[in-house]
Amino acid sequence: GAGVSQSPRYKVAKRGQDVALRCDPISGHVSLFWYQQALGQGPEFLTYFQNEAQLDKSGLPSDRFFAERPEGSVSTLKIQRTQQEDSAVYLCASSVLAGGREQYFGPGTRLTVT
Amino acid sequence: GNSVTQMEGPVTLSEEAFLTINCTYTATGYPSLFWYVQYPGEGLQLLLKATKADDKGSNKGFEATYRKETTSFHLEKGSVQVSDSAVYFCARDSGAGSYQLTFGKGTKLSVIP
Repeated sequence: GAGVSQSPRYKVAKRGQDVALRCDPISGHVSLFWYQQALGQGPEFLTYFQNEAQLDKSGLPSDRFFAERPEGSVSTLKIQRTQQEDSAVYLCASSVLAGGREQYFGPGTRLTVT
Repeated sequence: GNSVTQMEGPVTLSEEAFLTINCTYTATGYPSLFWYVQYPGEGLQLLLKATKADDKGSNKGFEATYRKETTSFHLEKGSVQVSDSAVYFCARDSGAGSYQLTFGKGTKLSVIP
């Protein structure tokens, strides 16, 4: 079956622009996670959804970062007024269970802020 | 807080050599432990997992045993192939709540013929 998909795969933004990154999880997966992966580092947790409810947003680095999953499937991560330090790969993962203990990752969106 | 420490790379091995990548984790809660692999140009793939102490995860010739007494989850393979060249990430989940993953920094493995 189809895996987790993300779009766009690459995004270049000028500093100060707003961006929106999309994640399509595996159909029927209850849990959805966003992670940020800086160059040469492991992914770091940003936020977690169980269906449409955002239950944990403790990893969001600032109030410029906002995520939503209004219908419990597709999710969007929005970054307002992008800064150079936002340059990273943004990974989405989904899991079939609530509080998913086996997460399946998408290919990521590489964001470059110039 | 939760953290994972894994051996720094890069690691370069000849084909058919034995591989060990060390990983230790903070002993908070009752986490599951994972190894993920990222092949060049691809996304993270789950390689293997273990959910409780003394469990052994295995897949594609790779193995790792959940050692609570040493808080370790070392990755091993008896005979590596060129196709194993990738970046390997050790991870633990939070053990409760959202089960968010905490990753190590990754170890790049290159296998030469």
